[in-house]
Amino acid sequence: LAKTTQPISMDSYEGQEVNITCSHNNIATNDYITWYQQFPSQGPRFIIQGYKTKVTNEVASLFIPADRKSSTLSLPRVSLSDTAVYYCLVGAHNYGQNFVFGPGTRLSVLP
Amino acid sequence: IAGITQAPTSQILAAGRRMTLRCTQDMRHNAMYWYRQDLGLGLRLIHYSNTAGTTGKGEVPDGYSVSRANTDDFPLTLASAVPSQTSVYFCASSAWFTSSYNEQFFGPGTRLTVL
Repeated sequence: LAKTTQPISMDSYEGQEVNITCSHNNIATNDYITWYQQFPSQGPRFIIQGYKTKVTNEVASLFIPADRKSSTLSLPRVSLSDTAVYYCLVGAHNYGQNFVFGPGTRLSVLP
Repeated sequence: IAGITQAPTSQILAAGRRMTLRCTQDMRHNAMYWYRQDLGLGLRLIHYSNTAGTTGKGEVPDGYSVSRANTDDFPLTLASAVPSQTSVYFCASSAWFTSSYNEQFFGPGTRLTVL
């Protein structure tokens, strides 16, 4: 299983763009990179997934360099409601048991 | 029912007692999972099932058992609860045979306290 490393916590202010980087040096060829968001007292919620280059949806963007040894989740113009824990997972997309949730990054958005 | 439901919402249990946490999904997903989340930590996979009739061990399976008699239900049983099993338990499901994404959908969680 590919091990991931993320910052434990980050602070930001409303309206700013937030970038959270995840390192996964031993990512395998068939592994996908997936990010989840978790609010207090709730289960995680899928944000975005990608394999290489850039992926964008209505919530976030995911940047993956050519060597795929890291990835960056970008949240544009964060609001107070984006305060949550963000998890980076790496694994083969059709084998859910291979996804490992690390401690995640606790993002605090300040007014 | 819409999505995944878990029961009970919370439970206080005496050590040594048997407890079954219930999980039901109505999305016809092939795969289901049980995670535990301890205070301030990430989720750890306990058991999983890729399809009805099959189960597998995750990262922390000891002290827990599961069954998958049908597509919708995936109960988690603690045969003899111990205080170290105090945690929040999340059930999740995914469409395992989806061609692209393996998005997991999570239930609201069960907060279990073993005294």
